[in-house]
Amino acid sequence: QVQLVESGGGVVQPGRSLRLSCVASGFIFNRNGMHWVRQAPGKGLEWVAVIWYDGSKKYYGDSVKGRFTISRDDSKNTVYLEMNSLRAEDTAMYYCARLQGGDGYYGGALDYWGQGSLVTVSS
Amino acid sequence: DIQLTQSPSFLSASVGDRVTITCRASQDISSYLTWFQQKPGKAPNLLIYAASTLQSGVPSRFSGSGSGTEFTLTISSLQPEDFATYYCQHLNNFPLTFGPGTKVDIK
Repeated sequence: QVQLVESGGGVVQPGRSLRLSCVASGFIFNRNGMHWVRQAPGKGLEWVAVIWYDGSKKYYGDSVKGRFTISRDDSKNTVYLEMNSLRAEDTAMYYCARLQGGDGYYGGALDYWGQGSLVTVSS
Repeated sequence: DIQLTQSPSFLSASVGDRVTITCRASQDISSYLTWFQQKPGKAPNLLIYAASTLQSGVPSRFSGSGSGTEFTLTISSLQPEDFATYYCQHLNNFPLTFGPGTKVDIK
């Protein structure tokens, strides 16, 4: 069965960096685009980033552009989110999710999600 | 960026009720819309994709409709396990966005 397991969250001071990992299993990893989505405490869902199935394209949400970097290592079935210059407003649960279907730009759906990794940015 | 609005933001209903949630997009997104259910402390769960296609394993009391800028999620007969928050999301272009959510509570 498809599983996504995030790790790497924790408490970090403003301005510092953190790297999240998401290990995938139960499917052929290099056939799917992967997304990160976050949710601040008590708030709604916010899309963060996507990486194409082959790593050729990456897109970011406006609030993280220039600070966060998404990458993947298909030999480890893992997608990463490198977060730099962290701010208090980055405090959230971070989920990775698999994109199924679509052509990358249009359509498809985020059909499987991990359980999330909590990032708290505080001094 | 495409903005999604949902109405209502909060809904109080009873078991057995028919419930309809609306999602409106700020521009035409064809049928590139999905619906999620989220319960407290849990990851979102995909219900509907391509505006009207039921995800495998999701009960048939859930249905979706619409295209362009107006979409609806309908629960034909609300069950106790359906009390949750529901989000729409578009996949028309980047950045992807989610609606603000509709919380369905017990009357």
